[in-house]
Amino acid sequence: DQQVKQNSPSLSVQEGRISILNCDYTNSMFDYFLWYKKYPAEGPTFLISISSIKDKNEDGRFTVFLNKSAKHLSLHIVPSQPGDSAVYFCAATTYNNNDMRFGAGTRLTVKP
Amino acid sequence: NAGVTQTPKFQVLKTGQSMTLQCAQDMNHEYMSWYRQDPGMGLRLIHYSVGAGITDQGEVPNGYNVSRSTTEDFPLRLLSAAPSQTSVYFCASRFGGRGGYTFGSGTRLTVV
Repeated sequence: DQQVKQNSPSLSVQEGRISILNCDYTNSMFDYFLWYKKYPAEGPTFLISISSIKDKNEDGRFTVFLNKSAKHLSLHIVPSQPGDSAVYFCAATTYNNNDMRFGAGTRLTVKP
Repeated sequence: NAGVTQTPKFQVLKTGQSMTLQCAQDMNHEYMSWYRQDPGMGLRLIHYSVGAGITDQGEVPNGYNVSRSTTEDFPLRLLSAAPSQTSVYFCASRFGGRGGYTFGSGTRLTVV
């Protein structure tokens, strides 16, 4: 039962353009959402998060948008850089934050 | 400051063998978790702990045991390895409350 879904296995964008990664969830109890970035042979690295009381959170080039009614969140990277090329995981959790569920990941390739 | 340290990095087991994956963190984090990553499945939670002496099951606990005798260490035991346990295993830790996990670099396990 995949409660967090990333339907695009891969995304390719040109350097300097916007990258938009999408994530859908099914469990309405989720109230905290996170994005992680993963390079090969390394563990995931926490990138940015958002609470369900907000609909947007920014950190530098990274912005996460949350649409609770649609159970959808997205990560925007502007401008995209070649160093952003990695696998991005969406994650969601409930209030106790113990059981964090991850999506299958989207591989982003930023071309110079 | 080493962060989250996992050993070994690679391991090959025969079906039926047992082994322990080690995980240690030096950040005084309360919460620790074990995830496995399989192609197309994202990261799935095996077991987690909210403090020394307290553990609980995640999404895919069967075939694994954990214990948390100290804040720093959270070993994962495979009781009788099966080919279905071939995966990359990640240990992660974080402080209590909201926030993202710090992940180790992973253990790639192959069961033949």
